[in-house]
Amino acid sequence: AQSVTQLGSHVSVSEGALVLLRCNYSSSVPPYLFWYVQYPNQGLQLLLKYTSAATLVKGINGFEAEFKKSETSFHLTKPSAHMSDAAEYFCAVSYPNTGNQFYFGTGTSLTVIP
Amino acid sequence: SQTIHQWPATLVQPVGSPLSLECTVEGTSNPNLYWYRQAAGRGLQLLFYSVGIGQISSEVPQNLSASRPQDRQFILSSKKLLLSDSGFYLCAWSPREYSYEQYFGPGTRLTVT
Repeated sequence: AQSVTQLGSHVSVSEGALVLLRCNYSSSVPPYLFWYVQYPNQGLQLLLKYTSAATLVKGINGFEAEFKKSETSFHLTKPSAHMSDAAEYFCAVSYPNTGNQFYFGTGTSLTVIP
Repeated sequence: SQTIHQWPATLVQPVGSPLSLECTVEGTSNPNLYWYRQAAGRGLQLLFYSVGIGQISSEVPQNLSASRPQDRQFILSSKKLLLSDSGFYLCAWSPREYSYEQYFGPGTRLTVT
């Protein structure tokens, strides 16, 4: 069965430090992968997506993620955290030709310490 | 460009009362539409999705229902709310041509008292 695992429900980093949010998927079929950000009481905003093109994907707000098939991972990184990055982050996967199946991780809450 | 609207933004309803949440999409046609619920401190749970007018698929059994009376309108309803229905309800759409991407609305915060 396909699933998404986000390691660490809460991550804290100092302002200016590296942000690393982990996401692993489990399936034998290469997926499409997404990272979304959610600010309090708002909807989910698409940060970036991998859809079988370049494995290193750059998104908005300075975030990027690398698809590593051998590790079944799609970790989200940002070189220098900003206070405005504090939010909930969701990893999600979908699969071509499977209709409407879209699987979300349980989310990681990022706290940025001044 | 495409936009997605949800209303109301917040709602407080007593147990046993009916519910109607509305979602509309602009700037596209024939979208796939989705309703998700996000309980406090938890991830997203897919409730319903629709690939066309009148076509609704339910992912979980519950006292909620969904309808799609028009191409770009998706409604979430309940005849009698339960306390457990409290949460943040998100509508999403995906293009029919590449339905593997989803775009979310601003959400509705529902509190059942």
